[in-house]
Amino acid sequence: KNEVEQSPQNLTAQEGEFITINCSYSVGISALHWLQQHPGGGIVSLFMLSSGKKKHGRLIATINIQEKHSSLHITASHPRDSAVYICAVRSGNSGNTPLVFGKGTRLSVIA
Amino acid sequence: DAMVIQNPRYQVTQFGKPVTLSCSQTLNHNVMYWYQQKSSQAPKLLFHYYDKDFNNEADTPDNFQSRRPNTSFCFLDIRSPGLGDAAMYLCATSSGTGVWNGYTFGSGTRLTVV
Repeated sequence: KNEVEQSPQNLTAQEGEFITINCSYSVGISALHWLQQHPGGGIVSLFMLSSGKKKHGRLIATINIQEKHSSLHITASHPRDSAVYICAVRSGNSGNTPLVFGKGTRLSVIA
Repeated sequence: DAMVIQNPRYQVTQFGKPVTLSCSQTLNHNVMYWYQQKSSQAPKLLFHYYDKDFNNEADTPDNFQSRRPNTSFCFLDIRSPGLGDAAMYLCATSSGTGVWNGYTFGSGTRLTVV
């Protein structure tokens, strides 16, 4: 069983819809990352958090440490949001602890 | 802008012919990582350097080697690529001084083995 589980695996939405992607993890963590990967491969870091909620534009990330669960929300979705969204966690307390990745959620937003 | 640069973006190599992928960074980060990502799968850590200290994952094949001649550059060498090594290879960096230093990823090199 992967230490980081994401749902759904694939998601298709109409433009303007509110989108939620979920991430559950089974280990104690020091930080959780939400990443975006567009076709062509490059990964962009969206959020890094260990508690509460962060917001950047139309993106909101929340985390519940007790429940070992995080969600990524996209408000007023747009076709340019189409990408793979990856949840990744860091379990160690040192700066060089590698990330453990989920398998990603492939989002397609249709105009 | 400070960044992580991977070259080339696309690499085609012949079965069994050694190939080298490169990664450079202008962030002066201590830590550099190499990940392998196959289609529809999560990135898998191959190895990482903390300064000059090399850390190999237990299940990384011996066919994969890495070099870090200085802080800015890190290379991934595949000594005898097989068809199963076709993948996206991602380089990432982070500062080793604290868990709250984020990751910065390169754009990746997509390797095709023919």
